[in-house]
Amino acid sequence: DIQMTQSPSSLSASVGDRVTITCRASQGITNSLAWYQQKPGRAPKVLLYVASTLESGVPSRFSGSGSGTDFTLTISSLQPEDFATYYCQQFFSSPYTFGQGTKLELK
Amino acid sequence: QLHLQESGPGLVKPSETLSLTCTVSGGSISSRSSYWAWIRQPPGKGLEWIGTISYSGSTYYNPSLKSRVTISVDTSKNQVSLKLSSVTAADTAVYYCARRNSDWYYFDSWGQGTQVTVSS
Repeated sequence: DIQMTQSPSSLSASVGDRVTITCRASQGITNSLAWYQQKPGRAPKVLLYVASTLESGVPSRFSGSGSGTDFTLTISSLQPEDFATYYCQQFFSSPYTFGQGTKLELK
Repeated sequence: QLHLQESGPGLVKPSETLSLTCTVSGGSISSRSSYWAWIRQPPGKGLEWIGTISYSGSTYYNPSLKSRVTISVDTSKNQVSLKLSSVTAADTAVYYCARRNSDWYYFDSWGQGTQVTVSS
């Protein structure tokens, strides 16, 4: 199985901050990566796919980059509604695996 | 707009079979290039892909669960079902139904999830 490792596991930030979350795959996955946002008690919501393509309706302050084994999710200017847990997911090969999550908290 | 709704017992006894249903509205589960998945999330933990079924009925399972999992569709009811046999406490989780994107293997629409607890 491909292991997905996110860092940091948790992050404290303030409204207006620029934040970056990293996801590393245990082997190369080309650009077969998606990012999700999950709020407490809610289902995950996809933000980006194929590493850098914004899902329809997602604000442009979210961006993604990377290829191969290293990927980043950047939020350019944090908004109050962005405090949540973020997951990466590889879809290069089965079984399709997720990172352990990064919890973004208000400082 | 697509809507997915999971349903089923919230409590299952150890060694029994967990059975859940996902009712899809706003779209046909048998439309060409549609794929439907089950994903679970144990309390306080991350997400685990369980398996996927295609519009043609082909199934793809996580090898870690394959021996215990069956995913099927009922096109007459526009429903996707999950059965997980021989459950233990480790199967306690929120279970989500989701649609896999037609072009890429990510999940672009999710149900709200249903909590299943395995306990005697």
